[in-house]
This record gives sequence, structure tokens and C-alpha cells, in this order.
Amino acid sequence: DAGVIQSPRHEVTEMGQEVTLRCKPISGHDYLFWYRQTMMRGLELLIYFNNNVPIDDSGMPEDRFSAKMPNASFSTLKIQPSEPRDSAVYFCASSSLGLEETQYFGPGTRLLVL
Amino acid sequence: TQLLEQSPQFLSIQEGENLTVYCNSSSVFSSLQWYRQEPGEGPVLLVTVVTGGEVKKLKRLTFQFGDARKDSSLHITAAQPGDTGLYLCLKGERNTGNQFYFGTGTSLTVIP
Repeated sequence: DAGVIQSPRHEVTEMGQEVTLRCKPISGHDYLFWYRQTMMRGLELLIYFNNNVPIDDSGMPEDRFSAKMPNASFSTLKIQPSEPRDSAVYFCASSSLGLEETQYFGPGTRLLVL
Repeated sequence: TQLLEQSPQFLSIQEGENLTVYCNSSSVFSSLQWYRQEPGEGPVLLVTVVTGGEVKKLKRLTFQFGDARKDSSLHITAAQPGDTGLYLCLKGERNTGNQFYFGTGTSLTVIP
């Protein structure tokens, strides 16, 4: 298996622009997680899905952030409009059976908003 | 609100030394996982503990889950440069809607 795939790996954009991050989970995994990692706040869970349904989005910082999972093999995290404070590494992870199962992380998208 | 505290935050040691890092919470864990993250990569699972008092060993790494299931430790014997990375604990809370919380992390550097 190729593991969790994220794209792009790096993104540099200007404040106010729309940013879309993409994730392909491991085939057969029922759970998909979006995390954000910064030096100041560490690794934060933004939202997670179970069987394509959002279960907990309490970590989404504000309305500028939205996430979708239209099918079992694809998810997006969108920021519109982007701000410099959104600069971070965004990770997608997937797992089977959820809570006590291994979360497999993608390589991350490094986002810089100027 | 920081629900999981890890200590120390930074640790730099010489190759061959032993070390222990800690993960603490004010509430009980349903389960706890330890992950290691190398620079430029995503975290990778090391171990999952679910039973109070549980001890698991992974080569030179020993993981312990506290009897009260509010804390955990990771001990590394004879550290090697390959152990360098960010060590993160992840707490599962099954009884509160399957919430997941990562700790603040311990950044370990092993100097050859």
C-alpha cells in the first residue's frame, strides 16, 4: 500500500487566497483525521471523519476552514480566505476501527501564507 | 486548554545515555499511544497501551502506563542518534465522543 497521500507537499500563497489541501487515505480505513502542527501549539486535531461523515469538527479554528470527504478515498481541507497565522504543517491520517488503532500519517503539507 | 502535558519539552543527551520522558493528564485515559516524529515526516506509532500498570518493551524502549491510567512514561536505554525525534503521546477518550488529544511533545536530540 502507498500509505496516506497528501498534496501538495508545499504551498506558498498570499494572504486572502483560497488554499485547498488534499488527502487520500489508506484503502479500507474507515477513519480520516486532519491535524495542524505548529511550534506554538503542537499537533492539534482539526476534524475527523468516520465512514465519510464528519464526527467532531470542534478543532476547526473558525469558519474560514472547511473539510469534506465526498468518498472513502478522498478528503479536502480548504482555507478561504487564508491568513498568515494559518501557516503550519497540515497532516492527514487514517486508521481502521478508530480509537485504539494505529493512525497512519501522511507526509504533511507545509503551508506558508505571506 | 492543554489536556496532556509532556516533560521534558526538550532533551539533548549523549549517545549511550539513558532517558525517560513523561506524559501526564488530570483525567483518566481510555488508551494511550506513543508516536515518534522525525523531521519532515509525519508521526509514526511506537506502541499502544490500554491497561493500567501495563509495561511494553520495544527493543531499547520501555513504555509504562500508570496504574491509575492518568500518566505514562517512555524509557530509552543506551540512546542512539537514530532515536532523535519528537516523541508524542496521544490520549483516547472513548467515553467523551471518541476525542483524541496529542501531548505537547518531547524533542529529543541524541548527540553521537
